[in-house]
Amino acid sequence: AAGVIQSPRHLIKEKRETATLKCYPIPRHDTVYWYQQGPGQDPQFLISFYEKMQSDKGSIPDRFSAQQFSDYHSELNMSSLELGDSALYFCASSLEGGDTYEQYFGPGTRLTVT
Amino acid sequence: GENVEQHPSTLSVQEGDSAVIKCTYSDSASNYFPWYKQELGKGPQLIIDIRSNVGEKKDQRIAVTLNKTAKHFSLHITETQPEDSAVYFCAASTAMYSGGGADGLTFGKGTHLIIQP
Repeated sequence: AAGVIQSPRHLIKEKRETATLKCYPIPRHDTVYWYQQGPGQDPQFLISFYEKMQSDKGSIPDRFSAQQFSDYHSELNMSSLELGDSALYFCASSLEGGDTYEQYFGPGTRLTVT
Repeated sequence: GENVEQHPSTLSVQEGDSAVIKCTYSDSASNYFPWYKQELGKGPQLIIDIRSNVGEKKDQRIAVTLNKTAKHFSLHITETQPEDSAVYFCAASTAMYSGGGADGLTFGKGTHLIIQP
């Protein structure tokens, strides 16, 4: 079965640079979520989109922004990168409506800020 | 906001024995409780979930129980195998009440399950 696709899988940036992470949800899924996971920590919810509109907002820094496009893929834009932004970034997708709530996670993008 | 606590942080069991991981949540509005398994360097994998209108759910060697009154839910793994070794996360959300919107999950801190051969 097709899974969530994230690109790139690894990214190295310097402080104050910008980064763009991409997420392609499971086919037919209309909702995407972004999570940040620091070393040895639990995933922290950042933001979600349903039908191209922001649906829920978590602990996303003002330096970050995201959007969902007409083909349902999503991009997380990160500016003025800080050392503390080094983490795994996961995208998850789900199919809203009906009785479905399951979120399926992608393999993640490992961001290293030097 | 929601707060999810998970215990224990590390659990070591002999192969073939059972493992139990417990979580409590704070927001009585939470109504969806998934469990994820995460192996090193990989994304969390959904293994089982339960909704607030159900008290127990089982899928082969894995079962989850929910006590809404006490606001706690537990994961039970029977006949543990070496491939069960991983970090397990519980989570909670209010997906059902949002009218179909996309609520983020609040995770517990995780349990490192070690299966001793």
